[in-house]
Amino acid sequence: GAGVSQSPRYKVAKRGQDVALRCDPISGHVSLFWYQQALGQGPEFLTYFQNEAQLDKSGLPSDRFFAERPEGSVSTLKIQRTQQEDSAVYLCASSLAGTSLDTQYFGPGTRLTVL
Amino acid sequence: GQNIDQPTEMTATEGAIVQINCTYQTSGFNGLFWYQQHAGEAPTFLSYNVLDGLEEKGRFSSFLSRSKGYSYLLLKELQMKDSASYLCAVSNYGQNFVFGPGTRLSVLP
Repeated sequence: GAGVSQSPRYKVAKRGQDVALRCDPISGHVSLFWYQQALGQGPEFLTYFQNEAQLDKSGLPSDRFFAERPEGSVSTLKIQRTQQEDSAVYLCASSLAGTSLDTQYFGPGTRLTVL
Repeated sequence: GQNIDQPTEMTATEGAIVQINCTYQTSGFNGLFWYQQHAGEAPTFLSYNVLDGLEEKGRFSSFLSRSKGYSYLLLKELQMKDSASYLCAVSNYGQNFVFGPGTRLSVLP
């Protein structure tokens, strides 16, 4: 079946604008993760869902970042009042079950540029 | 805290063998994963280790020593398409992965 998809692939925002990034996980995958990846760095954990429950949001850098997964499938990462330091690639990953040893499958990412 | 270290860059020749090291200090270690990421693309899963020892998958092998906080990824018979970043990630009991900074491998003809 299809892999993890993300949209848009590229987003340019003016400083102060709100943005919404979408993730469609692999069908049937219970867990969904959001990561932020700066250029030349490894992904950094933002938040994690198991079905519709957000079990860990410790990586969200500020209260301007908000994520939801209301029906336990598609997820949206929203960033309010974007700042230049928010410029990064935002990666979504999903895994089949809810164990910490499940392989995570990544989407292609959304490259956000804040001007 | 959690800390994962990898060399920033490595260069190797087509057909050769290269070893990419990863050292980690984390709490609640549960397993170690290796991912490959080509520029501008998503990370793709290569291998994972839960117990000490060597796991072999074709041209790729990964080794883990939990007592030393050390892993390596071994790539044999290098091909040009192996030029990519290689990410080491530790899975902890909190379910999320902690990624290292990645090692950018360049394979030269």
